[in-house]
Amino acid sequence: DTAVSQTPKYLVTQMGNDKSIKCEQNLGHDTMYWYKQDSKKFLKIMFSYNNKELIINETVPNRFSPKSPDKAHLNLHINSLELGDSAVYFCASRHTGPANEKLFFGSGTQLSVL
Amino acid sequence: GESVGLHLPTLSVQEGDNSIINCAYSNSASDYFIWYKQESGKGPQFIIDIRSNMDKRQGQRVTVLLNKTVKHLSLQIAATQPGDSAVYFCAENSGGSNYKLTFGKGTLLTVNP
Repeated sequence: DTAVSQTPKYLVTQMGNDKSIKCEQNLGHDTMYWYKQDSKKFLKIMFSYNNKELIINETVPNRFSPKSPDKAHLNLHINSLELGDSAVYFCASRHTGPANEKLFFGSGTQLSVL
Repeated sequence: GESVGLHLPTLSVQEGDNSIINCAYSNSASDYFIWYKQESGKGPQFIIDIRSNMDKRQGQRVTVLLNKTVKHLSLQIAATQPGDSAVYFCAENSGGSNYKLTFGKGTLLTVNP
């Protein structure tokens, strides 16, 4: 199926640990995003990569480090996890260019920091 | 229930009624707007979009209205069905050519059979 795929779907970990979330899209898109959704369902952009190049960094703590090995993948590594990092993280993608503003989202990774 | 503590605006309708979900956007320079539907445990799904040079666009059972004068966007769902129950988000491209989709607060729609 053509889609934006994230793994894992659920991630439960202790404070202070380091964890990664992976994202892959097979839609042929060249721009990928990470969004964070808090407990009040508010969706906030974190990062955007275009062809492996960082485009948007929304003042996210530097404990969060995105990595894009190629334009189909955008992974998110989080160091020294804190309680406030608990949220649902969504990967999204699109193809840049006019008439291509629609974002396609993955199904989310629910991160719980204990 | 799930909505307790979420502080989301909520809309409760009867099956078959029409629903109107409203959204106020923040940036008068935004040139593109989009509505997403998010069901429990899933990612946001595209519903309909509209550019700033239009004031109305229709899809299947959905219509989006844009009022740039008051920076207001609405989503109308005709003949609402139980499967329409979800959280609905409006979003705007607030970055212009440096595309950045900024989401609104979300509205929880509950359809009663």
